[in-house]
Amino acid sequence: EAGVAQSPRYKIIEKRQSVAFWCNPISGHATLYWYQQILGQGPKLLIQFQNNGVVDDSQLPKDRFSAERLKGVDSTLKIQPAKLEDSAVYLCASSLGLWTGRRSGRAGETQYFGPGTRLLVL
Amino acid sequence: RKEVEQDPGPFNVPEGATVAFNCTYSNSASQSFFWYRQDCRKEPKLLMSVYSSGNEDGRFTAQLNRASQYISLLIRDSKLSDSATYLCVVLAGGGNKLTFGTGTQLKVEL
Repeated sequence: EAGVAQSPRYKIIEKRQSVAFWCNPISGHATLYWYQQILGQGPKLLIQFQNNGVVDDSQLPKDRFSAERLKGVDSTLKIQPAKLEDSAVYLCASSLGLWTGRRSGRAGETQYFGPGTRLLVL
Repeated sequence: RKEVEQDPGPFNVPEGATVAFNCTYSNSASQSFFWYRQDCRKEPKLLMSVYSSGNEDGRFTAQLNRASQYISLLIRDSKLSDSATYLCVVLAGGGNKLTFGTGTQLKVEL
């Protein structure tokens, strides 16, 4: 089974330029996540989609970041304009999307991560 | 205070050693707990879930102490291939939102 696909794998841009990343989740996965991982830190959730609807975008810097998943399958994340501090790895993940609400003491759905896009802003 | 805190390491251990990683979380309403493994320049992958009763998977043992809001991972008989960063991960609230710690780096040496 194919995993989560992301492109490009690497991107170098100058500050104030725009950049877009693409993600294709595992087939049949309804939930898609975008994470930002700065060097030396753990991934931080930027936005979560359930099908084509946004579940959580509380940590997305909306003045410069935007994301869409128009047909409920693949997704794009855009940064416009980029800042130096946006240099990071942008990880896309997906999960089946069947789990909702609370469970006590048991695992939530497994999230499967793509290889990431490494962004360097100069 | 960070939501999930880990000692960043690195932990340098000889092959065959036993090593333990600890993690604390701040949200007492957290529901589920995991350890993810991330190899250098690769994506995170689920290593194991952590259950209240503790659980074991081969050389790996995970434990949860809800009262102390503390999670641990024990690796016995370390292999060179265990060298990676181990991320403590907590799920709180609805929507399957994961919060990651900064990770603990492990280097297993000959």
